[in-house]
Amino acid sequence: AQSVTQLGSHVSVSEGALVLLRCNYSSSVPPYLFWYVQYPNQGLQLLLKYTTGATLVKGINGFEAEFKKSETSFHLTKPSAHMSDAAEYFCAVSGDGANSKLTFGKGITLSVRP
Amino acid sequence: DGGITQSPKYLFRKEGQNVTLSCEQNLNHDAMYWYRQDPGQGLRLIYYSQIVNDFQKGDIAEGYSVSREKKESFPLTVTSAQKNPTAFYLCASSKTGIISGNTIYFGEGSWLTVV
Repeated sequence: AQSVTQLGSHVSVSEGALVLLRCNYSSSVPPYLFWYVQYPNQGLQLLLKYTTGATLVKGINGFEAEFKKSETSFHLTKPSAHMSDAAEYFCAVSGDGANSKLTFGKGITLSVRP
Repeated sequence: DGGITQSPKYLFRKEGQNVTLSCEQNLNHDAMYWYRQDPGQGLRLIYYSQIVNDFQKGDIAEGYSVSREKKESFPLTVTSAQKNPTAFYLCASSKTGIISGNTIYFGEGSWLTVV
């Protein structure tokens, strides 16, 4: 079985400050890891994903995440927050094989203060 | 433009009624999914279909039904057996049914409220 833990439900940062959203996963097989963003009343949009290869993954809107197998983590970062980054962020994990499914964390709401 | 279209965006249901949420995709994807989103609970999988005329239950299928008669369409019916149907429903698709590293693309969602 696989699972995702996103600690805390809300993070608040000042505009221009570092954004750090934490994600830890549990998977019995090598994982595929995803970060999605959701703006109010909209669907989810893929920010970035880790499949294989380089452990530092760069995504859209200046976000990046690093896969750390030893820590079972895939934290999302952005050096400088912008007001438009205010949204809900979901980390997700999938396994491999025909019956793999995408399992989501509970999500973290990011607020950006002027 | 290619994408996933969900309708209606807002739907109100009286208790005891069945309602159907529409989902259409023009991405030529084989697999389609329905998720339910409740505040603070993330997304939970209701049903998924890896190919036309085939579908499987997800984690919370009770009180829901689906059909997959066409590749581009995957409607979800919320039946009267679903005791707490008020939620945000998201339809999604992926190129193949084997998730692995494939990206799942989402529609804009539908709000269902029981009145």
